[in-house]
Amino acid sequence: EPEVTQTPSHQVTQMGQEVILRCVPISNHLYFYWYRQILGQKVEFLVSFYNNEISEKSEIFDDQFSVERPDGSNFTLKIRSTKLEDSAMYFCASTGTNNQPQHFGDGTRLSIL
Amino acid sequence: AQSVTQLGSHVSVSEGALVLLRCNYSSSVPPYLFWYVQYPNQGLQLLLKYTSAATLVKGINGFEAEFKKSETSFHLTKPSAHMSDAAEYFCAVSDRAAGNKLTFGGGTRVLVKP
Repeated sequence: EPEVTQTPSHQVTQMGQEVILRCVPISNHLYFYWYRQILGQKVEFLVSFYNNEISEKSEIFDDQFSVERPDGSNFTLKIRSTKLEDSAMYFCASTGTNNQPQHFGDGTRLSIL
Repeated sequence: AQSVTQLGSHVSVSEGALVLLRCNYSSSVPPYLFWYVQYPNQGLQLLLKYTSAATLVKGINGFEAEFKKSETSFHLTKPSAHMSDAAEYFCAVSDRAAGNKLTFGGGTRVLVKP
């Protein structure tokens, strides 16, 4: 069965540094998402992306965050200047059509030191 | 705005006993509802979904959930727990528009005792 793949599985970064989290969605999917889960808290929506543009973003997704689909397969989340509070598990998800469920990757654990 | 409440952050059941995980939602529009399971160090795996067909939904691994509009609930059940059911379970809601975001509950961690 097709999977959403995320790399790296764990990223350790110094505060203030830029980080890029990578995702390869399922190949025929059209809608892409990033969510995050701070340890012990809910899974929170960050951003959705469709037709090469952001569809919706949450309050968390401020100017420090950006997303890109640089080619036909990758979907990336960039954090420009990381803060301690960005430490979390980041999940990428994708879906093909309206009432189809979102498929999630295994996540990238981001640790900011 | 949508929200999801899962009653009980931790549930402990004996192997072979009924598993019941509670989920209540709030939505201003008819929702789609989902249950996801997360095993340690893994992503979120879909258990089942409600998208306006039958109100009793059957999923993988013997789980099922019933959509009750009058109670705004979507509780997850399994008649007989197995050790492999130990995981964290998340209820989620989205509205019925293409590509819409999921709003998650806080999760319920299930411990299965032998």
